[in-house]
Parts: sequence; structure tokens; C-alpha cells
Amino acid sequence: DAKTTQPTSMDCAEGRAANLPCNHSTISGNEYVYWYRQIHSQGPQYIIHGLKNNETNEMASLIITEDRKSSTLILPHATLRDTAVYYCIVRVARSNSNSGYALNFGKGTSLLVTP
Amino acid sequence: GAVVSQHPSWVICKSGTSVKIECRSLDFQATTMFWYRQFPKQSLMLMATSNEGSKATYEQGVEKDKFLINHASLTLSTLTVTSAHPEDSSFYICSARAPGTANSPLHFGNGTRLTVT
Repeated sequence: DAKTTQPTSMDCAEGRAANLPCNHSTISGNEYVYWYRQIHSQGPQYIIHGLKNNETNEMASLIITEDRKSSTLILPHATLRDTAVYYCIVRVARSNSNSGYALNFGKGTSLLVTP
Repeated sequence: GAVVSQHPSWVICKSGTSVKIECRSLDFQATTMFWYRQFPKQSLMLMATSNEGSKATYEQGVEKDKFLINHASLTLSTLTVTSAHPEDSSFYICSARAPGTANSPLHFGNGTRLTVT
């Protein structure tokens, strides 16, 4: 799996957009980018994932550069409850859907949303 | 959908005793579940892959005789920490893949905080 690099920590003012970058310069063509977050003392929460197109859901937007070497997770209007550690994970997709695949977590970005 | 539930959410036990943690997929079937461990201020580390109807596969350095995994049905996997010691105190988290394609995301339980005294 491609290695990812994320800033250790970031701050964001409440109500503003939080843009969390992730570098995955060694990503290969069949590897997806997944974003999770973990609020203190809880299990990780799935946010979004994508292959090469930009994706948007009710939680966030994922912008993947054309060369796929980096991506940005955007929380459009950050709230205090978005304070968490955000993990960017790159994982190759398996073609046999009956098998599982684990995700390998790095250190992530600790996002602090301030009032 | 795709809810994963863990029980208990926290447990305190004495050294030498065994503790069982349950992981259930509430609204879907999961042939594979994953068990992670997280020490304070560290990231999640994969411990083992639980396979329904067959033996679990363990990551390097994880003792299979200490961390017993049973995946007896398509909705339940259990992790038993045997002869627990204080160094086993950690946050244990399970996950399962949502139904769909191989690219479907993993969903995680809310974790079990184990404290061994």
C-alpha cells in the first residue's frame, strides 16, 4: 500500500472550512484513498473515499489531484464536534469481493476546531 | 446501515483472568472482521483478521494463544484476552467491511477499553 504523509496537527476556526491535506506520491493506479476520523475514545468513523474523481457526501468533500499524488479532505463548515484525528489511508482494492481487506492507519492529523 | 457494535465498552479485570470482547455486525453479514489495538497517543494497529468458519490470521508479533479469536457466525466475532496482564491494557476496536464491492469502506465499532489491574 502507498504510504501517506499528513501534517501532525491543524487548527480551524468554527464555521470556516477545514482543508486537510494528504500526500500519497507513490500511489498506484488501482489504489483508493480513504478518509476516516477518530474522536477521542471512540472507534474510527468513515468519512469518504475515492479513486480519481472528486467525491462529495453529507460529511465532506474529497479533492484528488489529477496526478493522484495528493488529496484534500474538506469539511465545509467546521464545528467543535469535528475536533478529531483525521486519517488518510491508501489501499489497493481487491477484485474478489468476498475477501476482506484491512486498513493500515498512520498517525493522522489532529484537527482542533476553535470557537 | 453498516453498524458495527462492540461489547462491553469498557472492562476492568485482574491480572491472570480472561476477558471476552464481542463484535457484532448489526445489519449486515460479515465473513471477515478485523481486530485492532490502540495504545494511548498511538494509532490503531491491526492485530488479526477474523474469518467466519476458519482460523483467524494474526499479524506478526501478536500471540495467537493469548488473543483467541472466534468467528462463529456471519454477524459475530469474539476476541478473548487470556491470562491478561497490565501491559494488555489498551483500547480494542473491531471492524467489518460494509456490503458491496471490495472497495466498500470498513466500519468500526466504538471500541472496548480494557484495564488490567
